[in-house]
Amino acid sequence: QKEVEQDPGPLSVPEGAIVSLNCTYSNSAFQYFMWYRQYSRKGPELLMYTYSSGNKEDGRFTAQVDKSSKYISLFIRDSQPSDSATYLCAMPGANSKLTFGKGITLSVRP
Amino acid sequence: KAGVTQTPRYLIKTRGQQVTLSCSPISGHRSVSWYQQTPGQGLQFLFEYFSETQRNKGNFPGRFSGRQFSNSRSEMNVSTLELGDSALYLCASSLGQGNFGNTIYFGEGSWLTVV
Repeated sequence: QKEVEQDPGPLSVPEGAIVSLNCTYSNSAFQYFMWYRQYSRKGPELLMYTYSSGNKEDGRFTAQVDKSSKYISLFIRDSQPSDSATYLCAMPGANSKLTFGKGITLSVRP
Repeated sequence: KAGVTQTPRYLIKTRGQQVTLSCSPISGHRSVSWYQQTPGQGLQFLFEYFSETQRNKGNFPGRFSGRQFSNSRSEMNVSTLELGDSALYLCASSLGQGNFGNTIYFGEGSWLTVV
């Protein structure tokens, strides 16, 4: 079993839709959770990070963590064509390296 | 301020050759990490350097090596290239060592194609 599993996608939604992106993880040592966004032919950029269980909101984006289920989600409200990108969840392990999900490619149709 | 700069952006090499990729971190950042990104495996950690010392290493063969200079710039080298080494190689920098509490910034990557 991979340490971090991410829904494979791709995902296509109409503009304005609510998008839910999910990852599960198996390593209980993961305490810090990140979401990166990667546009085509660009490097990943940090979108959100959170330490604790619960929700963290930043504009149209909400990161949710459920440590008891080892499940994290990223919600995008009122999705825009500019949100079309690959989204990756990532978690630092005990040796500080980041373990990434494989990423899900989101396409928001105008 | 300038972001993480990687050179070259694109390159094509032949099997058996070697390649050196360069990374200039954000000014003041002392930690540099390297990742390989492929469609099949996603993003995989190669190694991390801090203050010119390799601090962590991923599960890659010895053909993959790196170093960091006193100005925090880093290079990675892949020797005896194989077709499977074709990937996007990403460099990331952060202020301190490790990822806890340190925001990590990625460069745009070096696209390597091995033919």
